[in-house]
Amino acid sequence: EDQVTQSPEALRLQEGESSSLNCSYTVSGLRGLFWYRQDPGKGPEFLFTLYSAGEEKEKERLKATLTKKESFLHITAPKPEDSATYLCAVQASSGGSNYKLTFGKGTLLTVNP
Amino acid sequence: EPEVTQTPSHQVTQMGQEVILRCVPISNHLYFYWYRQILGQKVEFLVSFYNNEISEKSEIFDDQFSVERPDGSNFTLKIRSTKLEDSAMYFCASSEVDSFGPQHFGDGTRLSIL
Repeated sequence: EDQVTQSPEALRLQEGESSSLNCSYTVSGLRGLFWYRQDPGKGPEFLFTLYSAGEEKEKERLKATLTKKESFLHITAPKPEDSATYLCAVQASSGGSNYKLTFGKGTLLTVNP
Repeated sequence: EPEVTQTPSHQVTQMGQEVILRCVPISNHLYFYWYRQILGQKVEFLVSFYNNEISEKSEIFDDQFSVERPDGSNFTLKIRSTKLEDSAMYFCASSEVDSFGPQHFGDGTRLSIL
């Protein structure tokens, strides 16, 4: 069974204080790893897709990296508007599961001004 | 930017009643999905739909649930004989020409069963 574990569950940063969120996964053949941002009362908002180990993607203050067992979301010099829950999800390529995303519980990031 | 639209934003229903949750996926997308998120828990996959048929479903998606694409723009989730434990946020998502691409989510319908 595919599993996704995110850590920490919650992270509080000061504005400008860089850090990283972790997503560890177990999947029978990784098709893709996805990062989403979720604001309170909203649906997940797509950020990145990573397909193979060593791949990196960047968007503004966010950078996502991927190894064979985990992914990191690096946040450089965060601002209060980066406060949200960050979700990691995997899509498997075997075992008859070709479509579903398996999500982690997320990391609640709070950036204080 | 195109987005997935869900209605209603909040639905309150008596236990045992039937509910229909509605979604308008992004117009050029061909794959459609329903997920749910019980308060404080993970987002869970329910079902995927392509070419007018279910392509994958989870153990949660039993005979109580059904999906339909009644016309060229809407995608619905029907829940029959609702139970208290069906209370959750229900998210619709869609993806482009293949299932490898990112799934784009709506803002959800909060379903409350009384």
